Amino acid sequence: AQKVTQAQTEISVVEKEDVTLDCVYETRDTTYYLFWYKQPPSGELVFLIRRNSFDEQNEISGRYSWNFQKSTSSFNFTITASQVVDSAVYFCALYNAGKSTFGDGTTLTVKP
Amino acid sequence: DSGVTQTPKHLITATGQRVTLRCSPRSGDLSVYWYQQSLDQGLQFLIQYYNGEERAKGNILERFSAQQFPDLHSELNLSSLELGDSALYFCASSAGGGLANNEQFFGPGTRLTVL
Repeated sequence: AQKVTQAQTEISVVEKEDVTLDCVYETRDTTYYLFWYKQPPSGELVFLIRRNSFDEQNEISGRYSWNFQKSTSSFNFTITASQVVDSAVYFCALYNAGKSTFGDGTTLTVKP
Repeated sequence: DSGVTQTPKHLITATGQRVTLRCSPRSGDLSVYWYQQSLDQGLQFLIQYYNGEERAKGNILERFSAQQFPDLHSELNLSSLELGDSALYFCASSAGGGLANNEQFFGPGTRLTVL
């Protein structure tokens, strides 16, 4: 069975702080994909990133960066210099054989 | 605006009833995915259709069914509704047959309330 754990239910930071959202996954498969999604207060889900299990290279996109470590089955997401607009629920997901398994989400609140 | 449309936005119904949720994918996208987001179950993948055929099945109840029509829009049918079916139902689309190489775009969701 596949499982995704986002241990942080809620995180609150002040604007310009850096914040890391943790994601730990479980799977017996060797080929899989990991995703991060953002759900802002408006409710619509937005795809942020996909990483396949064979590519452990970290990725940076503007203020966002992702750290994938197979050895610890983790795929963490860091927002640098957070902004109020980053306030949202963030979901980590594991995709394999056509099916997605989601974590429970982390609610990030960025205060001005 | 993702280009994925869902109707209706809100739906209120009673236990035991049947409802149909509709999704129109982005122009050119062949895959449609359905998800349920509830307080109890969190975010769950229900089912995927690709070019009219069922492609992948997740945690979809037997009381639920879906189909994708020749014009590529999709409908999710929920029957014998229970209180626990109250949730936000998302539709998403992608150009290809899966998420390994395709970006996914989500609709705004349909909020179903079962009383």
